[in-house]
Amino acid sequence: DTAVSQTPKYLVTQMGNDKSIKCEQNLGHDTMYWYKQDSKKFLKIMFSYNNKELIINETVPNRFSPKSPDKAHLNLHINSLELGDSAVYFCASSPPLPMAGELFFGEGSRLTVL
Amino acid sequence: GQQVMQIPQYQHVQEGEDFTTYCNSSTTLSNIQWYKQRPGGHPVFLIQLVKSGEVKKQKRLTFQFGEAKKNSSLHITATQTTDVGTYFCAGPAGGANSKLTFGKGITLSVRP
Repeated sequence: DTAVSQTPKYLVTQMGNDKSIKCEQNLGHDTMYWYKQDSKKFLKIMFSYNNKELIINETVPNRFSPKSPDKAHLNLHINSLELGDSAVYFCASSPPLPMAGELFFGEGSRLTVL
Repeated sequence: GQQVMQIPQYQHVQEGEDFTTYCNSSTTLSNIQWYKQRPGGHPVFLIQLVKSGEVKKQKRLTFQFGEAKKNSSLHITATQTTDVGTYFCAGPAGGANSKLTFGKGITLSVRP
């Protein structure tokens, strides 16, 4: 069983479109994250949710809106896609703070905006 | 804010050579983690170091946490082609219970 699964794995779309990426974890973790990895492989945190509540919201355009329907799911919706949004988006989960330990990453969703 | 730095970003070695890379933080870290990302893959947790001066080994990989808890090293003995990938260090940005800040990673290539 995949611990952290993301869909879709690949997404190619035109500028201006809206798209969503879904993430699910079966590890029983309370905390989930979205990271963006650019072409230079820099991993930057975007959002973090703890038990469905937003706890980290980095300086991310408000075109990006996370949603956590329950603690096992964290979805990412992106409006009005721009060329610069092209990247690999990783979902991750971890044990809850203050036990914060390793991050378990999903396989990533590669978004290409044309 | 806290920064976690890894320099250089790329290193090439001949198979069988040893490899060492370093991670430096602008502030004292409560712990440091290392991850490996294979080409086309996702980051995978390798190790977490917590104590000052701590050394941990995983087969040919040796991880060390500095005495001042502001730096860490990863040493690979006798590199193999399976070691290729990007190695990231990460530390909590604002204290033990805060988000992880990742270094930019070092991408290791191994010539067979």
